[in-house]
Amino acid sequence: EVQLVESGGGLVQPGGSLRLSCAASGFTFDRYSMNWVRQAPGKGLEWVSYISSSSRTIYYADSVQGRFTISRDNAQNSLFLQMNSLRDEDTAVYFCARVLTSLEPPTRAIDYWGQGTLVTVSS
Amino acid sequence: DIQMTQSPSSLSASVGDRVTLTCRASQSISKYLNWYQQIPGRAPKLLIYAASSLQSGVPSRFSGSGSGTDFTLTISGLQPEDYSTYFCQQSHSTPWTFGQGTKVEIK
Repeated sequence: EVQLVESGGGLVQPGGSLRLSCAASGFTFDRYSMNWVRQAPGKGLEWVSYISSSSRTIYYADSVQGRFTISRDNAQNSLFLQMNSLRDEDTAVYFCARVLTSLEPPTRAIDYWGQGTLVTVSS
Repeated sequence: DIQMTQSPSSLSASVGDRVTLTCRASQSISKYLNWYQQIPGRAPKLLIYAASSLQSGVPSRFSGSGSGTDFTLTISGLQPEDYSTYFCQQSHSTPWTFGQGTKVEIK
């Protein structure tokens, strides 16, 4: 069974830092690209960052570019998100998410999500 | 960035009804369109990928169609467990973007 378990969320002051972790199990982690997606309280979904299986390709949303860093450790089946210079608007539940990729039909989707970890940025 | 617009924002329907949700992209995304269902307090669940492919384990009453800029999600025979919020998402190009959601409520 595929499992994604996030940790590391909590309350942090504006300008502070947090490091989120995601422990993956039930699948061959190093064969899949991964995402972080967030959801502010009562709001919709916002894609945050993408990392390919080899870490060779990385993308960020403009809203976090230069402040957040995505990384992974394939030997430990783990995904990370280092968040620096946090702002009030970063308050959200952060989901670790596996990317489904296929050539036929051409597909990029999120087929598994963790339960999320809440990050609250407040003074 | 590609903007995704869903309509309606919410709807009320009865058990057994056929329900159609719409998603429009601000530019062509071919068939790189996915649909998710989210129950409050839970993680989203993938229903449809590549505009019309049913994810494994998802009931066949869910179906998707469309390409380019206009897409639909249809629920044929609404069930009590289907009352939730539905999001579309484009994966044609980064940043991946989601629609604002359609909330399906009990009539």
